[in-house]
Amino acid sequence: GQNIDQPTEMTATEGAIVQINCTYQTSGFNGLFWYQQHAGEAPTFLSYNVLDGLEEKGRFSSFLSRSKGYSYLLLKELQMKDSASYLCAPGGSYIPTFGRGTSLIVHP
Amino acid sequence: ETGVTQTPRHLVMGMTNKKSLKCEQHLGHNAMYWYKQSAKKPLELMFVYNFKEQTENNSVPSRFSPECPNSSHLFLHLHTLQPEDSALYLCASSQDFGLAGVGSVKNEQFFGPGTRLTVL
Repeated sequence: GQNIDQPTEMTATEGAIVQINCTYQTSGFNGLFWYQQHAGEAPTFLSYNVLDGLEEKGRFSSFLSRSKGYSYLLLKELQMKDSASYLCAPGGSYIPTFGRGTSLIVHP
Repeated sequence: ETGVTQTPRHLVMGMTNKKSLKCEQHLGHNAMYWYKQSAKKPLELMFVYNFKEQTENNSVPSRFSPECPNSSHLFLHLHTLQPEDSALYLCASSQDFGLAGVGSVKNEQFFGPGTRLTVL
């Protein structure tokens, strides 16, 4: 089975940097996804890590440590539109299993 | 627009009704998924089809019946639902799965906008 743990809610200030952590336990591992979901909308893909290390994509970066069962999503230069839920989804069998998500609130 | 459409966007039905949810993807993908998203709960995988073959059924009650006539279309037939089945039902597609190598993002999922279902 899969056990995924991420904070329920985080708040941050516009322009700041925030790190959303995710720890997981999976039977098998084939990569970890991060998705963004705005309220009332569908999740959209942000990043995918399958090897250890940092993947950078614009303002967003994602880090993975397979030995520690740990990942984080780093958001820089926060904007109001970044207020959303961020879903950590490790793929134990090529199909990702989603965590409960971290609700990020960005305030002015 | 993700290339995945769902209809209807909202549905209210009684417990004795029969209805169907439709999903269509225009991405040339071979894998399609149904998820249920309830308030305060993680996305729950319901069914997976790969190349039109059902490969996953996550212990979903038989009152939910999927159908995948081709790689572009996916249906979820509903009958005699319960109020606790009220949720957002999301369809997703990906290129395929099980064939990806290390470093591949072949199974990145593209989600439709969802159908908000209310069972009275």
